[in-house]
Amino acid sequence: DAGITQSPRHKVTETGTPVTLRCHQTENHRYMYWYRQDPGHGLRLIHYSYGVKDTDKGEVSDGYSVSRSKTEDFLLTLESATSSQTSVYFCAISLETSGGYNEQFFGPGTRLTVL
Amino acid sequence: GESVGLHLPTLSVQEGDNSIINCAYSNSASDYFIWYKQESGKGPQFIIDIRSNMDKRQGQRVTVLLNKTVKHLSLQIAATQPGDSAVYFCAESGGSQGNLIFGKGTKLSVKP
Repeated sequence: DAGITQSPRHKVTETGTPVTLRCHQTENHRYMYWYRQDPGHGLRLIHYSYGVKDTDKGEVSDGYSVSRSKTEDFLLTLESATSSQTSVYFCAISLETSGGYNEQFFGPGTRLTVL
Repeated sequence: GESVGLHLPTLSVQEGDNSIINCAYSNSASDYFIWYKQESGKGPQFIIDIRSNMDKRQGQRVTVLLNKTVKHLSLQIAATQPGDSAVYFCAESGGSQGNLIFGKGTKLSVKP
């Protein structure tokens, strides 16, 4: 195991409510990522972080925000959840991205349902 | 468990046979590639990687082949076992940030 946990593992919420998903790592890796996975799509990058307080947008960042106040935790927030954000969310970590070397290890996922 | 894809390409093989899963990648500038395995209800699991300066790399029961001319990647699994049943997808990396771009995956089904 890559020492990544996600919480909660399952959540059902209502449209318009805020939701925060947590990713915690014990590997002290610099890079952390949030993806969503939907039927018919590959994993799509939402946001990523390259250090404490350093984050950037990915391919599908609209409606999501992130924060990283310490190395081990990366939070994903849906300020006002919508049904289109029903998905399985995965966190990943990576030690380096230099020279195209970006071996990412994934957490177990969070299934989010927005009613 | 989580559904990773309702209409994925499916490869069905007999236990003990060899499996070959293919992937076409999009960016000719990509220089690093990974194969992942995802079982139902779990996160993707790293299998094997290869850099663009190589054509072939072998692991335990798995081999990855890279053909940069036609931008094609393949994963070969020797003596396929029921435990190999999963969705397999490739990922490519390149560019300044080195972020991974993932394929949609192939579902491998192993018949006993």
